[in-house]
This record gives sequence, structure tokens and C-alpha cells, in this order.
Amino acid sequence: ETGVTQTPRHLVMGMTNKKSLKCEQHLGHNAMYWYKQSAKKPLELMFVYNFKEQTENNSVPSRFSPECPNSSHLFLHLHTLQPEDSALYLCASSLRQGTLGDSNQPQHFGDGTRLSIL
Amino acid sequence: GQNIDQPTEMTATEGAIVQINCTYQTSGFNGLFWYQQHAGEAPTFLSYNVLDGLEEKGRFSSFLSRSKGYSYLLLKELQMKDSASYLCAVTDRGSTLGRLYFGRGTQLTVWP
Repeated sequence: ETGVTQTPRHLVMGMTNKKSLKCEQHLGHNAMYWYKQSAKKPLELMFVYNFKEQTENNSVPSRFSPECPNSSHLFLHLHTLQPEDSALYLCASSLRQGTLGDSNQPQHFGDGTRLSIL
Repeated sequence: GQNIDQPTEMTATEGAIVQINCTYQTSGFNGLFWYQQHAGEAPTFLSYNVLDGLEEKGRFSSFLSRSKGYSYLLLKELQMKDSASYLCAVTDRGSTLGRLYFGRGTQLTVWP
């Protein structure tokens, strides 16, 4: 139990479907992150929210749409995805987005959603 | 950008010691993390280094040399449960603060 819960754990969807991934953290953190993990590739940062405000969009296609209604919840809305979007999507949280004085805050990850696009 | 390099795979036997290396190139280094990720599970935090030297935590130790852009994770008294992917990640003052740049991970297999 990492304190970060992601649902669903597995998702299979067609390219025309719309679905959402959910992340909830119970750690009292204020920063939340979405990452994409593909086979044989490094973890790729997608979005960062700090105190509910989006602070980073790492050139992610618009078919991925994040939402952060409060510091404990983060969503990733998906529509018209492509086969290359099949991957493990990981959510993470940290106390707050790091500053020069506290860059040592580790990020706590959820178990991820394994997404397969047909 | 950041170049983070670590071996793809390593194998070792139970009870042995293994060292997983990580080299990085970044203009504004601000810390290095090691994470462990078992298949199908979340990456979990192992260690953080920002100053040169060795940080020891039980069976795991992490070393950093900033001048060489080099770190290693040392695992002692290996156990079967240590079979996992080990991820090296760095933070950079020049980018969004707190952003982590990950290597591809080193898949460690521990044999009985």
C-alpha cells in the first residue's frame, strides 16, 4: 500500500471510446503527476499539478486531458486514442512540487493503469 | 536535455552483492533518486543523493559523484525478492522544479 490508489488497474478500449483514469492519494500531498511508462522506454512525465494548478504539460497530445478537482484527486480523460498510446499510466504525488530548498521530496507512485488500445 | 544511462539487465545469485551504475548528463543537477519497481507494481522510493558520498540504508546503499556525473546503487545480501527493475532519476534546476528525469531502468534477476 503506497497511499496512492489508481483505478482501474487494467483498461482495454477502442480508438473511438472515451474513458477516464482516476488517481487518489491519501498522503496529504499537494503535488500530483501523471507519467507514461512504455516498454523499453524511460518513464515520461505528462502533467504536473501543484496545489490544483497545472504547472507542466510536457507536450502531451490533446487526446489526453487531465483534471485535478482537489489536491487528493487527479483524473486523466482519454478520447480517440491511438494504438501507440498503449502503456502503463502511473500517477504520483509529493508533498509539493519541489523548490530549490526541498528538492529531496520523493514522489510516491500508484500501481498504475495498464491501458491497451485496440 | 538530460541523458541518463544505466544497464538494461543484470543477474546475480542469492546472498551476493550487486552494483547498479547510473551515469547522467545535466546542466543543473539538483539531486538523484533511486526507485525499485516490481513487475506490475508501483515504483517505490529507495534513496536520494545530492552531495558526494555514500548513503547507507540497511542492505541498500547509494553513492554519488557529482564531478563524474555518476551514481551507483549497491545491494548486499541479495534476496529473491530483490528481483525488480531499478530506476535512476535526476532533478534539474533548469527545468520545472521537482521534475524527475528517469533512466530506462535496470532489470535485476536474482537466482537461487
